[in-house]
Amino acid sequence: DAGVTQSPTHLIKTRGQQVTLRCSPKSGHDTVSWYQQALGQGPQFIFQYYEEEERQRGNFPDRFSGHQFPNYSSELNVNALLLGDSALYLCASSLGLAKTGELFFGEGSRLTVL
Amino acid sequence: AQSVSQHNHHVILSEAASLELGCNYSYGGTVNLFWYVQYPGQHLQLLLKYFSGDPLVKGIKGFEAEFIKSKFSFNLRKPSVQWSDTAEYFCAVHNTNAGKSTFGDGTTLTVKP
Repeated sequence: DAGVTQSPTHLIKTRGQQVTLRCSPKSGHDTVSWYQQALGQGPQFIFQYYEEEERQRGNFPDRFSGHQFPNYSSELNVNALLLGDSALYLCASSLGLAKTGELFFGEGSRLTVL
Repeated sequence: AQSVSQHNHHVILSEAASLELGCNYSYGGTVNLFWYVQYPGQHLQLLLKYFSGDPLVKGIKGFEAEFIKSKFSFNLRKPSVQWSDTAEYFCAVHNTNAGKSTFGDGTTLTVKP
């Protein structure tokens, strides 16, 4: 089952550091979306990548950036980490800009900022 | 801005009880609607979806949901819950014009054996 895979699963950083999270989409999918899920909240949309370009962006500062590679995998980078960036970061893959909205999620990367 | 409201943060039921989880959204345009479920230790997965047609949709594991356009609602139901339904349930609304999805804050369901 070539589902959505994310790495690392857990990581701890200190304020001011930078982090890179990685995602491989489900086999056959070409669109990757990133979500932040804080404790007790639903996933909040960060941005979406398709054809190696950022296509949509949620209400997140430009400390949050990303990249999509030719093989459709993606990275999420967060610079100058704040305590409030502690959350579960979810990658979701889909087809064709996720026009239907149907998403396939990975298990997430849990980031703790101390 | 588009928003999704799930009325119950935590629901506790006994096995065989009936379940209804509420979901209301604020966007007035064309939407696709989803319920996702996250079982303990697992990733978010699709439970059911509504794009168009019959407003009563059936999903996996005996779940169903009804889209009531006039009420901007998409409530999730199950006639008889099982202990294995213990999970967190998220309602999501996809704005087909903007191409963006918004999630509710989730409802934690605990089913007592």
